[in-house]
Amino acid sequence: TQLLEQSPQFLSIQEGENLTVYCNSSSVFSSLQWYRQEPGEGPVLLVTVVTGGEVKKLKRLTFQFGDARKDSSLHITAAQPGDTGLYLCAGAKVDSSYKLIFGSGTRLLVRP
Amino acid sequence: DADVTQTPRNRITKTGKRIMLECSQTKGHDRMYWYRQDPGLGLRLIYYSFDVKDINKGEISDGYSVSRQAQAKFSLSLESAIPNQTALYFCATSDNRAPRGNEQFFGPGTRLTVL
Repeated sequence: TQLLEQSPQFLSIQEGENLTVYCNSSSVFSSLQWYRQEPGEGPVLLVTVVTGGEVKKLKRLTFQFGDARKDSSLHITAAQPGDTGLYLCAGAKVDSSYKLIFGSGTRLLVRP
Repeated sequence: DADVTQTPRNRITKTGKRIMLECSQTKGHDRMYWYRQDPGLGLRLIYYSFDVKDINKGEISDGYSVSRQAQAKFSLSLESAIPNQTALYFCATSDNRAPRGNEQFFGPGTRLTVL
């Protein structure tokens, strides 16, 4: 079974701080997605990375796909209370890219 | 208007009861999925469907069944609910024609409690 390990599981930081969330696997993925989920809602796609070593930026969020396409990171600069939520990474299997393997999530709390 | 809707949003039921969760989408996507979410376990795939005539089991299909009544509708049934099926259930869609057809769009979820 392919697994995606996310760390940390929980993060509580002060507004203005920087943070990095990691998503690791021993398996290769054809692409990797990051979602954010807020209470009472479904996950919402933030970004998809496809190429090994790819870096994408979304305002204060920077996403990187590992060179070997086995891992990814999400870095948030100057976190704001509006960044609070559950962050999920999801890898697409190489042989069946329509199937996503989800990490267990990182719950982020940004205190004002 | 929401593109992916789920009903009911919350349901409390008793062990042994039959439950149906419904999902509708207006995105025109061909692929639909059912997931359950448990604390610390992320999202796990129950069933998925590529079109009305194509239904496939996911990693945790035991105790569940599905029906794809139309391209826009995909329902999940628990034939005889048990307490360990208490979870958040999400429906999702994706478009096979998109450049990266695996980007998924989720409904708001159904919180199911089995007593």
